[in-house]
Amino acid sequence: GESVGLHLPTLSVQEGDNSIINCAYSNSASDYFIWYKQESGKGPQFIIDIRSNMDKRQGQRVTVLLNKTVKHLSLQIAATQPGDSAVYFCAERSSYKLIFGSGTRLLVRP
Amino acid sequence: GAGVSQTPSNKVTEKGKYVELRCDPISGHTALYWYRQSLGQGPEFLIYFQGTGAADDSGLPNDRFFAVRPEGSVSTLKIQRTERGDSAVYLCASSLTSPSGQGFDEQFFGPGTRLTVL
Repeated sequence: GESVGLHLPTLSVQEGDNSIINCAYSNSASDYFIWYKQESGKGPQFIIDIRSNMDKRQGQRVTVLLNKTVKHLSLQIAATQPGDSAVYFCAERSSYKLIFGSGTRLLVRP
Repeated sequence: GAGVSQTPSNKVTEKGKYVELRCDPISGHTALYWYRQSLGQGPEFLIYFQGTGAADDSGLPNDRFFAVRPEGSVSTLKIQRTERGDSAVYLCASSLTSPSGQGFDEQFFGPGTRLTVL
């Protein structure tokens, strides 16, 4: 399958450790912020979203933090597993459009 | 149930040729989106359909690109006089309803069509 990010920033973590992936967004008017996971040869897969009036939301093994003051979004993955290896994109919803940020490749070392 | 499907998975064409890329959304999803993803980049919005009509085509790069959704289900993205710069992965997504700001209407993505223009 095609590699979706040959020149992306890479985060390498040990299996079992926690991962933190960061993202800056641009549009203060966006109402939702979303994290997507993309594996090679596949389309983006929804992980978690957060509404703009919240600053934290938790899912299964994942937490998203939103700092509107500095327009910063982060994704925390607890107990990172080999299956978490992928490219991660943040996106903001402006109306119905998703505006994707630049991705981060997560590599999980066994 | 079945997800969003796209055909073909790969398409190689020569500069100047015409191509059609097909998207089958999830059954019952009224909203359909096309995005383009260049290597190493995030997807970029091209066009959004609500039902049969293109509600927003502002992301189409020029008039060589056109998309239709005649029956409100399957959509076809058409590219005329292809150029090498059109090479990318073309992603289709669908969502259940028209996003109205009342909750996040998740967009489900297909696997994409990888277009290579030689």
